[in-house]
Amino acid sequence: DGGITQSPKYLFRKEGQNVTLSCEQNLNHDAMYWYRQDPGQGLRLIYYSQIVNDFQKGDIAEGYSVSREKKESFPLTVTSAQKNPTAFYLCASSISRDAMETQYFGPGTRLLVL
Amino acid sequence: AQSVTQPDIHITVSEGASLELRCNYSYGATPYLFWYVQSPGQGLQLLLKYFSGDTLVQGIKGFEAEFKRSQSSFNLRKPSVHWSDAAEYFCAVPRGSTLGRLYFGRGTQLTVWP
Repeated sequence: DGGITQSPKYLFRKEGQNVTLSCEQNLNHDAMYWYRQDPGQGLRLIYYSQIVNDFQKGDIAEGYSVSREKKESFPLTVTSAQKNPTAFYLCASSISRDAMETQYFGPGTRLLVL
Repeated sequence: AQSVTQPDIHITVSEGASLELRCNYSYGATPYLFWYVQSPGQGLQLLLKYFSGDTLVQGIKGFEAEFKRSQSSFNLRKPSVHWSDAAEYFCAVPRGSTLGRLYFGRGTQLTVWP
């Protein structure tokens, strides 16, 4: 089955620690996205990538970093600079960057701070 | 800037009753508009989208939405709600000229009484 996988489902971060959230897709999609979801705030875009080896900051990129070395993979690192990382993180992909294309979402990773 | 507003944070309906979830948009030209649904602890799934043509759009799970330019609205409807429709619903619109970037509303939480 084609789809998007995110791992782990739950992730715990200690103070001062960087953690990396995995996102893999086998849909052969060019564009990939990372969103952060907090209760009552909808989804906010962290980073997006329209093609391999290229990515752009979204609305709340501070304290986060990404890479796009392979078409299938778009990992997100939450750095120690992100002071309030507790949230639900969603990865998505679309076949192209065209605004009318559907974005397909993974099941999410919940990040908690110890 | 392009945006959407979902005026209702939480709606409760009885099973079998009709449903209408509101979405108002702010957009310079004819917009692309999306409705997504999120079950608890899961990713988002596209219900339907509008990008041109017939203003009444049919989606999955028996949902439909009507684009009304005069009211800047794209309300989601279902004639008879099932208990399994309990979820959070998000309206979304592309972020202007930046292709592929979506602006999500804050969501409407739907509770269904048996």
